[in-house]
Amino acid sequence: SSELTQPPSVSVSPGQTARITCSGDALPKQYAYWYQQKPGQAPVVVIYKDTERPSGIPERFSGSSSGTIVTLTISGVQSEDEADYYCQSADSSGTSWVFGGGTKLTVL
Amino acid sequence: QMQLVESGGRVVQPGWSLRLSCVASGFPFSNYGMHWVRQAPGKGLEWVAVTWYDGAKKYYADSVKGRFAISRDNSKNTLFLEMDNLRAEDTAVYYCARAPKATPAADAFDIWGPGTMVTVSS
Repeated sequence: SSELTQPPSVSVSPGQTARITCSGDALPKQYAYWYQQKPGQAPVVVIYKDTERPSGIPERFSGSSSGTIVTLTISGVQSEDEADYYCQSADSSGTSWVFGGGTKLTVL
Repeated sequence: QMQLVESGGRVVQPGWSLRLSCVASGFPFSNYGMHWVRQAPGKGLEWVAVTWYDGAKKYYADSVKGRFAISRDNSKNTLFLEMDNLRAEDTAVYYCARAPKATPAADAFDIWGPGTMVTVSS
């Protein structure tokens, strides 16, 4: 299955915009999903199908896609957004799923 | 309230076997594909295995193929992961997670359990 590459860490000040990228050769053909994971908790989907936001997820979370790179953008970052973020995709046959290595978002 | 709760994790020695369970509630379990995903201490998420809604198709990550087996009992709303010949590198929190549909395709994991810890150590 294809690999997904994320930066290990991103740091922003409160109120600023955080952008977390995820690159992979299969991303032009497959949707990407984003998960937020706080310490000691299970992951939660914050973006699905590249750009869609599940109900209950704040509007400051958005997703975009361009070629082999997908981006999670958090506008007006709040301290509660400090967490690990993972991108995820899957192969077209539905037989293998893959996660990026994760990005630790630090709110300064 | 849709919920998944895993159990069965414990400390075992290398080469031992272990069976994990995941009980679902709040949704029609038999209508959904189900996954296992694991996370080693301080590491990222790794997909482990998937089963279709009826157990007819199952797929595994290369790292566990031939050693792990996923199964389900729809009459008991329960998902299982049978793990044989465990290795130190299998040490992780194991999560069960729901697929958004009966026959999982290239999609997400929309509901997760809190996880159960498996430690493989001599």
